[in-house]
Amino acid sequence: ETGVTQTPRHLVMGMTNKKSLKCEQHLGHNAMYWYKQSAKKPLELMFVYSLEERVENNSVPSRFSPECPNSSHLFLHLHTLQPEDSALYLCASSQDMGPGELFFGEGSRLTVL
Amino acid sequence: GEDVEQSLFLSVREGDSSVINCTYTDSSSTYLYWYKQEPGAGLQLLTYIFSNMDMKQDQRLTVLLNKKDKHLSLRIADTQTGDSAIYFCAERWNNNDMRFGAGTRLTVKP
Repeated sequence: ETGVTQTPRHLVMGMTNKKSLKCEQHLGHNAMYWYKQSAKKPLELMFVYSLEERVENNSVPSRFSPECPNSSHLFLHLHTLQPEDSALYLCASSQDMGPGELFFGEGSRLTVL
Repeated sequence: GEDVEQSLFLSVREGDSSVINCTYTDSSSTYLYWYKQEPGAGLQLLTYIFSNMDMKQDQRLTVLLNKKDKHLSLRIADTQTGDSAIYFCAERWNNNDMRFGAGTRLTVKP
């Protein structure tokens, strides 16, 4: 299995829908991340979890709700999104939060209509 | 500035060298990275350099770091069509976050 797996790869949703993005890592890492990649901005860190506890939330709107039930799984719950939330959402993991390498998933391409 | 800055596009001929430049923000950043993103894929770490180094070479890749100017470059020797991708410069500026540039799209022409 690949290191970091994200599902779904593509998602189209209306502004009133509720959906979730899923990330799973098979690397034994203890830190997981959600990044947003859009055409207009560089990669933006959204959330960081270390040992299943959230340690960083970079002023992300409450319509994005993360969940980390264990060190291998990370979810991003989406509700009442806006068209400007359309982007590629990348999950990453690392061993600790030090200078180690981030391993990225292939991303979930989200389109909000 | 507060952004990691990179030029957005670079086009080279196959077999030539490519040089991708980056200016980062924080002179106290400990690690600086180059990531590669191929179409439809996530980011893949290419190489990184610790801030007390000036240069790092790894096969066809050479990273140069100028701490005084906060300038980082990636040189790809003998560029191949498979090197066509977006290259991201990144700095680790605290334990929780990495700051990424907007990415340089490298196009390699036959």
